[in-house]
Amino acid sequence: NAGVTQTPKFQVLKTGQSMTLQCAQDMNHEYMSWYRQDPGMGLRLIHYSVGAGITDQGEVPNGYNVSRSTTEDFPLRLLSAAPSQTSVYFCASSYSGRWGGFAFFGQGTRLTVV
Amino acid sequence: AQKVTQAQTEISVVEKEDVTLDCVYETRDTTYYLFWYKQPPSGELVFLIRRNSFDEQNEISGRYSWNFQKSTSSFNFTITASQVVDSAVYFCALSDWAGGTSYGKLTFGQGTILTVHP
Repeated sequence: NAGVTQTPKFQVLKTGQSMTLQCAQDMNHEYMSWYRQDPGMGLRLIHYSVGAGITDQGEVPNGYNVSRSTTEDFPLRLLSAAPSQTSVYFCASSYSGRWGGFAFFGQGTRLTVV
Repeated sequence: AQKVTQAQTEISVVEKEDVTLDCVYETRDTTYYLFWYKQPPSGELVFLIRRNSFDEQNEISGRYSWNFQKSTSSFNFTITASQVVDSAVYFCALSDWAGGTSYGKLTFGQGTILTVHP
């Protein structure tokens, strides 16, 4: 059981480049989400999904796109990378019901935009 | 809007000291869930404890204990007899509980850097 898998672990982009951060979970969780972590600001929610085909914006969605075609995968797309998107990105999944807030996190992707 | 505040930016202790990490939260929900996560230097997020809003019994799990006070909206976390391996960033988090489920959305505090010296 791999849990939540994020790829890549590290990435350097040039300003204006695009890329997709991959996230996959094998726990059959309904809910998946993306957070970014910046120094002194904790983790902030970018986008989340409550099931295949259903996504919604979180606190800091600008500059990011998501889609959820399957239960397992929830990729995060940066269409035109900016230095302000330099951050550590975490994908999480959780199940519905009483403890639906209990999130399982991936290992994180450290992204640098130069 | 929900908010979580961890006023302690950094704490430094000597091994075997007890240390308490403070967390204050704001929410309009009557039912909610609170969590503590640990982020060691390796960077992953490790779940530590969780508490629901309708059970104020405080518990102890090994060297960890927590004090949930609904009246003051606080959810403090204590490590007893700290060890060097406890050095990490600790995050308090609050789940959004609209409509009977959280949709997996968490609001995090800013984090507290704990350094335990030998």
